[in-house]
Amino acid sequence: GENVEQHPSTLSVQEGDSAVIKCTYSDSASNYFPWYKQELGKGPQLIIDIRSNVGEKKDQRIAVTLNKTAKHFSLHITETQPEDSAVYFCAASIRYSSASKIIFGSGTRLSIRP
Amino acid sequence: DVKVTQSSRYLVKRTGEKVFLECVQDMDHENMFWYRQDPGLGLRLIYFSYDVKMKEKGDIPEGYSVSREKKERFSLILESASTNQTSMYLCASLQDGSYEQYFGPGTRLTVT
Repeated sequence: GENVEQHPSTLSVQEGDSAVIKCTYSDSASNYFPWYKQELGKGPQLIIDIRSNVGEKKDQRIAVTLNKTAKHFSLHITETQPEDSAVYFCAASIRYSSASKIIFGSGTRLSIRP
Repeated sequence: DVKVTQSSRYLVKRTGEKVFLECVQDMDHENMFWYRQDPGLGLRLIYFSYDVKMKEKGDIPEGYSVSREKKERFSLILESASTNQTSMYLCASLQDGSYEQYFGPGTRLTVT
């Protein structure tokens, strides 16, 4: 079955610097790669996603890259701000008929130092 | 606005008790999911349902069962709670044809 590995488990960066979180997946049939952000006391919320036919996607200060050959994908946050402090999860999904099954990475706790 | 609610934010139960965790979504989504979240392990799928009265085992179904009698409600049942089921439980829903799962705020269950 699909396995998603995520690194690092914790990350501390100075406010204004960039943060990068990396994930690898095992099943080459995976075709959708979402990133979720979980703030304290809340459930995870989708912040950006990328499909298998795209190599890079950007939304303001966040960007995702996908290397299907290497089965790697990454989240990049630039100009980090205190509100970026949260746990981030990568995931890989395979679509089966009308539903999709998502496998999550183990999470990265990102802390932004003032 | 999309909303997934869970019946309790915090729950403390004793070993051997039967525990019900309730999840309700107001988006008319066909698919609903139960995950447990543990430090260093991420989110692991317990059960999911793609239609009323339909259910499928996820990756860690042992010790759990589910019920979906109505489209908007998905219940997770711990038949006989054990201490290793102490965890954060997250419910999510997904519309057919979509990729984005919407999560509830979670229930932190402690079994003593």
